Amino acid sequence: SQKIEQNSEALNIQEGKTATLTCNYTNYSPAYLQWYRQDPGRGPVFLLLIRENEKEKRKERLKVTFDTTLKQSLFHITASQPADSATYLCALDMDNNDMRFGAGTRLTVKP
Amino acid sequence: GAVVSQHPSWVICKSGTSVKIECRSLDFQATTMFWYRQFPKQSLMLMATSNEGSKATYEQGVEKDKFLINHASLTLSTLTVTSAHPEDSSFYICSAHRTINTGELFFGEGSRLTVL
Repeated sequence: SQKIEQNSEALNIQEGKTATLTCNYTNYSPAYLQWYRQDPGRGPVFLLLIRENEKEKRKERLKVTFDTTLKQSLFHITASQPADSATYLCALDMDNNDMRFGAGTRLTVKP
Repeated sequence: GAVVSQHPSWVICKSGTSVKIECRSLDFQATTMFWYRQFPKQSLMLMATSNEGSKATYEQGVEKDKFLINHASLTLSTLTVTSAHPEDSSFYICSAHRTINTGELFFGEGSRLTVL
């Protein structure tokens, strides 16, 4: 079965630094991969989608890479701010728009 | 603004009672909606795929007689937790694709269920 691993349960960084989160998967080659942000007690909010034929995607301070050989996606937040503190989830397209989620990485940006 | 709305956002019930959670798509029609359950500090676990006008598709290990799903219209899916027990206490979230094949999922605000 598909296994999705996000590098760590929690990540603490200093404001202004770049946060890098990792998502690794096994046993399947998704057509695309997504990243979501989830705040406590709220539903996830879509951030970025990257397709299998794309190496990199950017949106403002966010950057996502997708290495289908390594079966890995990296999610970067540059010039991080305390407001970026949240849990970030990666999600893989399994088939028929069925998405499966990683456990998430809880990011804390300290002022 | 929100494109998928859930109600109620939180509910407390007694053990043995049933609880209904509604999920509405606000400005689009959703032939398919997804129901997830999330325990504290854990990921979203897909429970079932709700299909308008037909039976829901349940994930392995999810009891269809306990978690009743009804998708009677293109904008409303409901999840009913029947004969709730304390172990059913969780955060239930629904989602839908606004446009077919875009991939992006829009999530409801979630419903926190506490069974006493």
